[in-house]
Amino acid sequence: AQTVTQSQPEMSVQEAETVTLSCTYDTSESDYYLFWYKQPPSRQMILVIRQEAYKQQNATENRFSVNFQKAAKSFSLKISDSQLGDAAMYFCAYRSALGGGANSKLTFGKGITLSVRP
Amino acid sequence: GAGVSQTPSNKVTEKGKYVELRCDPISGHTALYWYRQSLGQGPEFLIYFQGTGAADDSGLPNDRFFAVRPEGSVSTLKIQRTERGDSAVYLCASSSRGSQGDGYTFGSGTRLTVV
Repeated sequence: AQTVTQSQPEMSVQEAETVTLSCTYDTSESDYYLFWYKQPPSRQMILVIRQEAYKQQNATENRFSVNFQKAAKSFSLKISDSQLGDAAMYFCAYRSALGGGANSKLTFGKGITLSVRP
Repeated sequence: GAGVSQTPSNKVTEKGKYVELRCDPISGHTALYWYRQSLGQGPEFLIYFQGTGAADDSGLPNDRFFAVRPEGSVSTLKIQRTERGDSAVYLCASSSRGSQGDGYTFGSGTRLTVV
């Protein structure tokens, strides 16, 4: 079974600065997807960025980028130019690339609470 | 609809009572997922529907939990003889078939409190 570990429960960043959120995972599969989700107080999980394991290039979405290290099974999220609206819980998640049934579910880490100081 | 809708937003029930939580997915999304998120934790998988059938119910914690999706659209999560440990946010998500690499679209969840 796959596991996702987020060992930092909380982090704080100054507005306009850069912050990196850590995530490690464990799997025996070679092809899979990794995601970062944001969960504001509204509770809705919002997809921030995704990475396909077979792609070596790190994904980037505007101010959000990842550092994907497949051999180390590490998937960190970098937020540049932090904004007050970035304050939320962030979850790292794993999904198998095998199709259907039990392989389609997401496995989440425990999350990290990010606060942004004005 | 435009998004995944979950009702009620909040539900308080007494220990031992029966509750139903509803999820209305995005129109046309064939896959539907239920997750449970306890305080301070990440969401944990409960059950996955592809169309009307439960393709994977391995996350249901015990036989007090049951979910249906009779017409392949709206789904209901049913909890019998509720216990205080069932208190959590129950999240629903949907996706279109073939969107394996995409994240799902989540609803805002139902916060269930068992007193």
